[in-house]
Amino acid sequence: RKEVEQDPGPFNVPEGATVAFNCTYSNSASQSFFWYRQDCRKEPKLLMSVYSSGNEDGRFTAQLNRASQYISLLIRDSKLSDSATYLCVVPKRGNTDKLIFGTGTRLQVFP
Amino acid sequence: GAGVSQSPSNKVTEKGKDVELRCDPISGHTALYWYRQSLGQGLEFLIYFQGNSAPDKSGLPSDRFSAERTGGSVSTLTIQRTQQEDSAVYLCASSHQTGNNSPLHFGNGTRLTVT
Repeated sequence: RKEVEQDPGPFNVPEGATVAFNCTYSNSASQSFFWYRQDCRKEPKLLMSVYSSGNEDGRFTAQLNRASQYISLLIRDSKLSDSATYLCVVPKRGNTDKLIFGTGTRLQVFP
Repeated sequence: GAGVSQSPSNKVTEKGKDVELRCDPISGHTALYWYRQSLGQGLEFLIYFQGNSAPDKSGLPSDRFSAERTGGSVSTLTIQRTQQEDSAVYLCASSHQTGNNSPLHFGNGTRLTVT
């Protein structure tokens, strides 16, 4: 299994839709995870941290499934401004100081 | 307060020249990371610093790449004898500490183009 793996998408959804992305990881010892958002030609920005079973912030919910080693990001009531690439970040196997980024899942919300 | 600052924001250089990229992290952040992102690709880990030391240099693509950090603050990434495949956006990030619970704060990046 790759250290971090994401479906590249794109996910094309209409405004108001609910969409979910998964990210699988290989380091079973990982304690915390992050979702970052990256707009085209911009730097990544932290969206959510996931330290235990999950985290919720407004329309965004992140969940962690340790048994199956994946984290998910759920976006409810999608907005046009949610269009971006969503990056999953996990500590590298055997080295929790090195954070490894997934290649990202691209989301496109249309009117 | 000020975020992570990188300079230059854009750099165009001729093949074979050396370039130096600078990163000024958020004040008080002990951990500093360098990543590289080619057009349409994901982030490639290069190196990280905890204080002034770099425990892991395994991500550096070749011996033409080197990085240092002095005074636990500013870091420079040097690429010698640049090649066209070095063209990418070089992103610097800092965090309070390395380890599981510290998210990264990124700078705007340096867009390097090797002609």
